[in-house]
Amino acid sequence: GENVEQHPSTLSVQEGDSAVIKCTYSDSASNYFPWYKQELGKRPQLIIDIRSNVGEKKDQRIAVTLNKTAKHFSLHITETQPEDSAVYFCAAVDYNQGGKLIFGQGTELSVKP
Amino acid sequence: DAGVIQSPRHEVTEMGQEVTLRCKPISGHNSLFWYRQTMMRGLELLIYFNNNVPIDDSGMPEDRFSAKMPNASFSTLKIQPSEPRDSAVYFCATGTDSYEQYFGPGTRLTVT
Repeated sequence: GENVEQHPSTLSVQEGDSAVIKCTYSDSASNYFPWYKQELGKRPQLIIDIRSNVGEKKDQRIAVTLNKTAKHFSLHITETQPEDSAVYFCAAVDYNQGGKLIFGQGTELSVKP
Repeated sequence: DAGVIQSPRHEVTEMGQEVTLRCKPISGHNSLFWYRQTMMRGLELLIYFNNNVPIDDSGMPEDRFSAKMPNASFSTLKIQPSEPRDSAVYFCATGTDSYEQYFGPGTRLTVT
């Protein structure tokens, strides 16, 4: 089945800097890759996703890139702000297990003012 | 749309008691997922339904856990009997065939 590895587990940046979180997946059949943001005590919220027919998607300060050959995808946050501080989860769809999402372990991002 | 609705938001119960968590999916969503989140184990998928039918329950920890989806607008997750190690936040998420999933606010369960 699918396995998703996420790095780093923690990331600290200064306000205004960029942050990059990387994930690798194992199942070449996976074709949907969402990213979730979870603030302390809140629910995970879908912030951006990408499908395998595109290599990059951008939404204001966040972007996701996908390299199908290398089986990895990344979340890029530019001009970080303190409110970006949260835990970020990547995920991939496992077709071998009925299409359920397989989540990475999470990255705790801290943006220091 | 109100989004995914879960109840109760908080539950404190004593070991051995039955606990029932409830979820109302977003209208039109045909997939429903129950997750458990703890600091130690992260976000775990317990079971998911598609068109009200259980598809994969391999994540259900043991026979004390059961889940039902009697219709498209309601699902329950039951723990009987509850144990302290079941303390966690339980999320319900719903989605469509396009795989997008939207999470409810969660139920924080504490078993003493």
